[in-house]
Amino acid sequence: NAGVMQNPRHLVRRRGQEARLRCSPMKGHSHVYWYRQLPEEGLKFMVYLQKENIIDESGMPKERFSAEFPKEGPSILRIQQVVRGDSAAYFCASSPSLGGNQPQHFGDGTRLSIL
Amino acid sequence: DQQVKQNSPSLSVQEGRISILNCDYTNSMFDYFLWYKKYPAEGPTFLISISSIKDKNEDGRFTVFLNKSAKHLSLHIVPSQPGDSAVYFCAARTSNTGNQFYFGTGTSLTVIP
Repeated sequence: NAGVMQNPRHLVRRRGQEARLRCSPMKGHSHVYWYRQLPEEGLKFMVYLQKENIIDESGMPKERFSAEFPKEGPSILRIQQVVRGDSAAYFCASSPSLGGNQPQHFGDGTRLSIL
Repeated sequence: DQQVKQNSPSLSVQEGRISILNCDYTNSMFDYFLWYKKYPAEGPTFLISISSIKDKNEDGRFTVFLNKSAKHLSLHIVPSQPGDSAVYFCAARTSNTGNQFYFGTGTSLTVIP
């Protein structure tokens, strides 16, 4: 889906475990965004990153959630000590630059299920 | 605080007819608007966008209309095809507050053959 790769596609964790979701942006894109979609809801912005920098994390829960986009490798969304309410679809999007009107291109998401 | 709203969760249209999907927003600072289409188990796919300096943008069967005074956006699909059956999300952004997009809750379109 537009070249943004997310893995795993499905992830099952027990309460209290850690979840790591990975996202490789489209080739040539340096901006990565994470969104969460709860059942019956729209996409909610979580965090916006550029290489080695968090630009906007206003949508991230204050505890247990963190994100990074290292110089090498994919962006990682990390959820520690998962709870049932973390069950959702997590989508990553990327865009080439901030300038001008650029759509974000999405991956196919990671569906996280908490037992 | 839902800044972008899609008040119709679902819509059914006969094949060949026009589909009209609506979207309302509350933030008058939004200056870039987009529509995404989403199939089950896939990510949203960018469909069409419009800048706030325009009131219409057309791409093939898809046309987006923007009414800034009413803070209203609509997507017209004509003629509708069964393959158009999907969930459609509208999204909006203010360019001066970074690149965060605000999404509506989606409208599920079913095109009946």
